[in-house]
Amino acid sequence: DIQMTQSPPSLSASLGDKVTITCQASQNINKYIAWYQQKPGKAPRLLIRYTSTLESGTPSRFSGSGSGRDYSFSISNVESEDIASYYCLQYDNLPWTFGGGTKLELK
Amino acid sequence: QVQLKETGPDLVQLTQTLSITCTVSGFSLTTYNVHWVRQPPGKGLEWMGAMWNGGGTDYNSAFKSRLSISRDTSKSQVFLKMNSLQTDDTAKYFCARHDGSLDYWGQGVMVTVSS
Repeated sequence: DIQMTQSPPSLSASLGDKVTITCQASQNINKYIAWYQQKPGKAPRLLIRYTSTLESGTPSRFSGSGSGRDYSFSISNVESEDIASYYCLQYDNLPWTFGGGTKLELK
Repeated sequence: QVQLKETGPDLVQLTQTLSITCTVSGFSLTTYNVHWVRQPPGKGLEWMGAMWNGGGTDYNSAFKSRLSISRDTSKSQVFLKMNSLQTDDTAKYFCARHDGSLDYWGQGVMVTVSS
């Protein structure tokens, strides 16, 4: 199984900050990584697929990049509505595997 | 519009079998795949398995032979069954549509395994 090491587990940011979350796969996942936002009690929301393709409705302050084993997700100009947990998902190989998650909090 | 909705019990007894139904609308199960994901309280997401649009299935080996996924295309329903439940199976269970990645999700059903 592919392990997805996501860091940091938690992040404290001020409004307007830029934050970056990383996911490292245990092997090449050929850019098949997605990023999800999850708010308490809600289902995950797909923000970005295939490393960097923003879903319809995803604000442009969200971005993704990477290749091979190393991927990153950024939020520029953090807004209050961005306070949530974020997860990466590799969907290159079965079983699909999620990163451990990053909880974004306001400083 | 695309919708998925999970229905199932709130409480299941230890060692018993969990059955959850995912009813979908706005798309066909013969065109799109549906996956199951679970999330224990306060923890991360775990991929459980998939029902492929052709009728095949794949499972996370972490569930060994406890897990079974099936469907009824005429009713637009996908079913999850998992036996020999333990307390660490307490979780919210989600179904999600696969279009590239998992794009639409149900709201999830919270299942508690009680001893």
